Amino acid sequence: AQTIHQWPVAEIKAVGSPLSLGCTIKGKSSPNLYWYWQATGGTLQQLFYSITVGQVESVVQLNLSASRPKDDQFILSTEKLLLSHSGFYLCAWTRDSAETLYFGSGTRLTVL
Amino acid sequence: GDQVEQSPSALSLHEGTGSALRCNFTTTMRAVQWFRKNSRGSLINLFYLASGTKENGRLKSAFDSKERYSTLHIRDAQLEDSGTYFCAADSGYNKLTFGKGTVLLVSP
Repeated sequence: AQTIHQWPVAEIKAVGSPLSLGCTIKGKSSPNLYWYWQATGGTLQQLFYSITVGQVESVVQLNLSASRPKDDQFILSTEKLLLSHSGFYLCAWTRDSAETLYFGSGTRLTVL
Repeated sequence: GDQVEQSPSALSLHEGTGSALRCNFTTTMRAVQWFRKNSRGSLINLFYLASGTKENGRLKSAFDSKERYSTLHIRDAQLEDSGTYFCAADSGYNKLTFGKGTVLLVSP
């Protein structure tokens, strides 16, 4: 069975500090990977997706970046956090482009 | 404007009754997914449809790509069905657009 693990569960960070959120998928080779973000009271927005190692496509510009250093790993990061980065970040995967989306448990980020 | 319009934004049902949630799309979508938010805020997949209808227990979903809508029907609602439900439309190119959600409250 496939499992998806996100870390950390929650973060409280200062404006201007760096951020790194991680996501790993076990039990599935070459998954499509996605990062989503939801501001408090907002709609879930897709940020990035990756269909293979080393390739990441940006969907929404939020002064964030993503990388896929390994087949089973997806990283979301920034060197300088903004207040507007606060929210709930979800990693997700699919077997292929036209497939069911499975979400991780999410990371709640508070930027102060 | 929004590509996915979900309605209603809130819905109250008595136990044992039913209703439908709906998502309208402003463009042709190739598939739709329905999710429910869990207690931690993550999303659990309920249905994936590229066409037609699917049923799972007391939930049934339909998707009409040509008419640009999808529905999620809940019958015989139970207290544990309370929560927030989302539709998400697949426009292709690895992009999924979410609706704003429907907050369902089932009361005795």
